[in-house]
Amino acid sequence: KAGVTQTPRYLIKTRGQQVTLSCSPISGHRSVSWYQQTPGQGLQFLFEYFSETQRNKGNFPGRFSGRQFSNSRSEMNVSTLELGDSALYLCASSWGDRGIYGYTFGSGTRLTVV
Amino acid sequence: SQQGEEDPQALSIQEGENATMNCSYKTSINNLQWYRQNSGRGLVHLILIRSNEREKHSGRLRVTLDTSKKSSSLLITASRAADTASYFCATDLRTGANSKLTFGKGITLSVRP
Repeated sequence: KAGVTQTPRYLIKTRGQQVTLSCSPISGHRSVSWYQQTPGQGLQFLFEYFSETQRNKGNFPGRFSGRQFSNSRSEMNVSTLELGDSALYLCASSWGDRGIYGYTFGSGTRLTVV
Repeated sequence: SQQGEEDPQALSIQEGENATMNCSYKTSINNLQWYRQNSGRGLVHLILIRSNEREKHSGRLRVTLDTSKKSSSLLITASRAADTASYFCATDLRTGANSKLTFGKGITLSVRP
């Protein structure tokens, strides 16, 4: 059974650009969440999607957005990149509604903004 | 702000010894989860304990939850070099229809061969 797949693994972008990250959850998982991990702030919740609906959103500026498709695959977009957006972005999927059985994380996308 | 606070921040032990890691949190939870992360990679789910449970085992892992003290502990018995990683506790607050995990800063565990 394939795990959570995140693409790309590494990304280097310039300030002001925009970026789209992709996440394919485990087959059958309908809930997808996104987290940002930085050395200073640790792991912070970005958003959660279930059946193409955003159910929860973290405390991030509007430059951060996401969506989920009918096949449960999810994308997140960051517009007008800032140096502080450099981070490991992690996607997680869960089988049970609202992650009641825990989450399976992907290996992440390492974004570097220069 | 962090909901979960792990203690200690770093732990170094000899292979074969037990490792105990603690987590405290501030508000009521539905469940508490422990994850492991190997250097810069994704998180691996270790164990989930619900708010109405007090203790749970999984292989060499034992987790306890004390909701009156708002604290949890993770015990890894007979540690191995491969257990070297960062460990995070995450609380699931689940207010209404929303659910999200709030992570602590993590504990760096080093197991010396």
